[in-house]
Amino acid sequence: AQSVTQPDIHITVSEGASLELRCNYSYGATPYLFWYVQSPGQGLQLLLKYFSGDTLVQGIKGFEAEFKRSQSSFNLRKPSVHWSDAAEYFCAVGYTQGGSEKLVFGKGTKLTVNP
Amino acid sequence: DADVTQTPRNRITKTGKRIMLECSQTKGHDRMYWYRQDPGLGLRLIYYSFDVKDINKGEISDGYSVSRQAQAKFSLSLESAIPNQTALYFCATSDFLGPGRGDTQYFGPGTRLTVL
Repeated sequence: AQSVTQPDIHITVSEGASLELRCNYSYGATPYLFWYVQSPGQGLQLLLKYFSGDTLVQGIKGFEAEFKRSQSSFNLRKPSVHWSDAAEYFCAVGYTQGGSEKLVFGKGTKLTVNP
Repeated sequence: DADVTQTPRNRITKTGKRIMLECSQTKGHDRMYWYRQDPGLGLRLIYYSFDVKDINKGEISDGYSVSRQAQAKFSLSLESAIPNQTALYFCATSDFLGPGRGDTQYFGPGTRLTVL
């Protein structure tokens, strides 16, 4: 079955430091991969997505993610974190089953940014 | 204006009551979804609909029902609410890009439901 693992439940970084959030997936075919961000009290906002082509994907707010098929990973990175990046981040894998497109989400990583 | 709206945003109810959560979208998408979010569990799919006549169960549909009143409206009902249905509920929409193209889902702001 398809699954997504986000190994880190909670990460704390200092403002200005670099960030990497890990995501590993389990899926037999070529996955479609997404990162969403949920700010406190808000819905989920799409940060970036990978469907095909270049394995390094640029997103909004200065985020990028790299798809590594050999490692079944899609880690999210940002070179310099801002206080406004404090939020919960969800990785998701999209797949086709019975003609239907579905998403499976990881359990999320909560990011705290220290001043 | 938001593309995907949910009403109400917050609701407190009692065990056994019937509750309806509503979702409307102006994105013109055919596909709509209902998820619930519980702390530490991520999002889990309750129901999804690919058009007005096509409604499907997700992984946790027991205790829930849905109605697709129009392309733009998708409602989630709890016929007899119970405390373990206390959660944050999200509606989402997507546009069908073609087989194997990988739809992108766009989410509403969520409804926080508390069942006492």
